[in-house]
Amino acid sequence: DAGITQSPRYKITETGRQVTLMCHQTWSHSYMFWYRQDLGHGLRLIYYSAAADITDKGEVPDGYVVSRSKTENFPLTLESATRSQTSVYFCASSESMVGTQYFGPGTRLLVL
Amino acid sequence: GQQVMQIPQYQHVQEGEDFTTYCNSSTTLSNIQWYKQRPGGHPVFLIQLVKSGEVKKQKRLTFQFGEAKKNSSLHITATQTTDVGTYFCAALGSSNTGKLIFGQGTTLQVKP
Repeated sequence: DAGITQSPRYKITETGRQVTLMCHQTWSHSYMFWYRQDLGHGLRLIYYSAAADITDKGEVPDGYVVSRSKTENFPLTLESATRSQTSVYFCASSESMVGTQYFGPGTRLLVL
Repeated sequence: GQQVMQIPQYQHVQEGEDFTTYCNSSTTLSNIQWYKQRPGGHPVFLIQLVKSGEVKKQKRLTFQFGEAKKNSSLHITATQTTDVGTYFCAALGSSNTGKLIFGQGTTLQVKP
């Protein structure tokens, strides 16, 4: 039972490049979330999705794009990476908007 | 927007000492969840509190929801080195914004 997985686990990229972070869950949870975690800021919601083809902005959506063509996948794309997007990115899934959230292992992204 | 303030940000204790982290909101909360993140790991759900004045225990951990449902606390009795990590509260506001808001977290260090 894989649960929720993220890839890559580590990524180094350069300013201006496009980067896509992948998230896959095997529970058929309706809701999926993307957070970034930075020192002093805790977990900040970037985007979330209530179902396939339904996405909405969170607290810090600028510079990010999401899609959800299948229930199990929720990729996050940085269209033109900036140094300020260096962070740890967590994907999470849940049966409901406010239910228990199950987090993936995270992707550590460094933008040079 | 709704904010959830968590204090303290950091806490160093000697093994065997008690530890408490507090989560406060200026608005009434519908529920509150607590998560633990080990160093280098991802947040893991601990518990959810829903009722005013609710108290729940998990071994040495005691979780409390305030009578006014504006604050919550997590108390660890006789800390152990395995308690090291960052503890997050996450709350749903009663104004029905529909999103869980995470506190900034309290990072606990335990000296053996």
